[in-house]
Amino acid sequence: DAGITQSPRYKITETGRQVTLMCHQTWSHSYMFWYRQDLGHGLRLIYYSAAADITDKGEVPDGYVVSRSKTENFPLTLESATRSQTSVYFCASSEFFLAGGGAKNIQYFGAGTRLSVL
Amino acid sequence: QKEVEQDPGPLSVPEGAIVSLNCTYSNSAFQYFMWYRQYSRKGPELLMYTYSSGNKEDGRFTAQVDKSSKYISLFIRDSQPSDSATYLCALRGSARQLTFGSGTQLTVLP
Repeated sequence: DAGITQSPRYKITETGRQVTLMCHQTWSHSYMFWYRQDLGHGLRLIYYSAAADITDKGEVPDGYVVSRSKTENFPLTLESATRSQTSVYFCASSEFFLAGGGAKNIQYFGAGTRLSVL
Repeated sequence: QKEVEQDPGPLSVPEGAIVSLNCTYSNSAFQYFMWYRQYSRKGPELLMYTYSSGNKEDGRFTAQVDKSSKYISLFIRDSQPSDSATYLCALRGSARQLTFGSGTQLTVLP
């Protein structure tokens, strides 16, 4: 199916374990993003990528690692999971194009991964 | 102080009511203003996108931006139970990242 897909949808893990969340998009969008969503905080940016092999930190990058060897994939790894990383994680992709008023973009989100760290 | 403040609600209204959702922001560099809608256990989806101050209408939805007051609003006319969701404002400056409000949970009662 076309679009942006995240896997797994649900994950339970233990403190200290490594966990990788997958994100795949079929639009060939240049930009991809990882957010976490927690009650009272809304969506907070963890990492983003402007193209393959180009990544940059967002607002809350500590404890996370990303890579982007191919345009369509943007995995997020928790190297040693902590309870504070229990959250819902969303991946998004977008393209930027010139429109009236400047560079326009629309971010398309996946359905999310619910991660519980016990 | 957060860059974007949004009343978390929850907000409960009867079907047919006019709903007003609001965000305030502190960074005058924000130039692009969006509203996303998020249904329970789903990802956010773009609802409205505006660039300049003023109003933009799309069906029952109107987005309003007042840059001088750093205040943005989303109005929903003739609200329906299917509008029940969390609404997130999102703002962007010259960078590629979005800054989101914390979201307002809306329930429209039939």
